Parts: sequence; C-alpha cells; structure tokens
Amino acid sequence: LAKTTQPISMDSYEGQEVNITCSHNNIATNDYITWYQQFPSQGPRFIIQGYKTKVTNEVASLFIPADRKSSTLSLPRVSLSDTAVYYCLVGDIGNFNKFYFGSGTKLNVKP
Amino acid sequence: GAVVSQHPSRVICKSGTSVKIECRSLDFQATTMFWYRQFPKQSLMLMATSNEGSKATYEQGVEKDKFLINHASLTLSTLTVASAHPEDSSFYICSARDQDRGLAEAFFGQGTRLTVV
Repeated sequence: LAKTTQPISMDSYEGQEVNITCSHNNIATNDYITWYQQFPSQGPRFIIQGYKTKVTNEVASLFIPADRKSSTLSLPRVSLSDTAVYYCLVGDIGNFNKFYFGSGTKLNVKP
Repeated sequence: GAVVSQHPSRVICKSGTSVKIECRSLDFQATTMFWYRQFPKQSLMLMATSNEGSKATYEQGVEKDKFLINHASLTLSTLTVASAHPEDSSFYICSARDQDRGLAEAFFGQGTRLTVV
C-alpha cells in the first residue's frame, strides 16, 4: 500500500494561493491520487482526483509530475472557510477506493 | 451527486449496551462500503470493509465480535458496536463508491459521534 507523507500543518492568509504537497514514493501503477477535505465533526469531502499531469476543477488544481511520486494540491485564493484538514490518498480505484488515511495537513487560513 | 447518509449523527449510550449505526447510499448501489473510526485530532482509521451478501473483512487489530457489520442490501450497511465501553467513544464514518460512475471518488457519510458513558 502506498504510504503518503504530508506536512502536518500550514498557515496562510485570505486571498493567497495555497499549495500542499504530498509524497507517495511507492505509488503503484494502478493507483490514483485523491484529495479530501475534512471539517471538524464531518465526514471527508472529495476535492479532486487525478492519475498524472494536471487536473483542474472548480475548486482546486492537482499537479502530478511524470514520476507520480508526489502530488500538489493547489487552492486558489483561500478564504477563512477553507480552514480544514486536507488528506492526500493513494489507492486503486478498482479496489472501490479502500483508503488508508495518513496524518493529513491542517490548513489554517488567517484573516 | 452521490450521497452517503449515516444515522444517527450522534448517540449517547450507557456502558454495556449495543449501538447500531446505519450507512446508506441514497442514490446509488454499493456492493462495498468501508467503515472508519476517528479519535479527536487524529486521522481516520480504516476498520473494515463491508461486502454486500458476504462477511465483512476486518483490518488487523479490529475485533470482529465487537464491531459487527451487516451489509444486507446494495444500499445499506450497518455497524453495531457490541457491549460498548467508554473507550469505544469515537467518530465513526462510512464511505462508498458509486461503482457505476467509472472513475469516481468515494463518498463519505457525515459521521456518527458515539459517546459511551
């Protein structure tokens, strides 16, 4: 199982772009990279998923280098409501997204 | 989009009693669901994989006789905490994937806060 490593916490200010990098050195060929956001006392919420290169949706971008050993979640112009824990997960979606969560990154957005 | 719903969202029970938590996929079928547990300020820990029509598979260290899982239909999995004790107090979360959507994310329930007194 691919293990992920993320910074424990990050601070940012409103309006800034935030980039959270995740390392997954032993990612397997069939593994996808998925990022989730979790607020206190809530279930995780899907942000973005990708396999390689760049993926963008209405809330974030995901950058994956060619070797896929890391990935970067980019949140444009964060607001206070983006304060949450962000999890980088790696798994074979053919395995119904059975995830082993790492520690996640606590993002603190300040005014 | 696909929705996973848990019930109840919060439960308080006395030590020694059993508590059942339901996880439903509201608009899709899920042959496989997952149950997680999360202690305060910690990450989610995978407890077990719930398989429709067959026995659940448990992660190492999770007591299958204490955390009983039943996946009787394609839209419902239940987790029963048997003879709950204060150390079982935690946030329990289920997840499922809409298998018919191809490259799809897993959807998580809103979680159930269990407090054993």
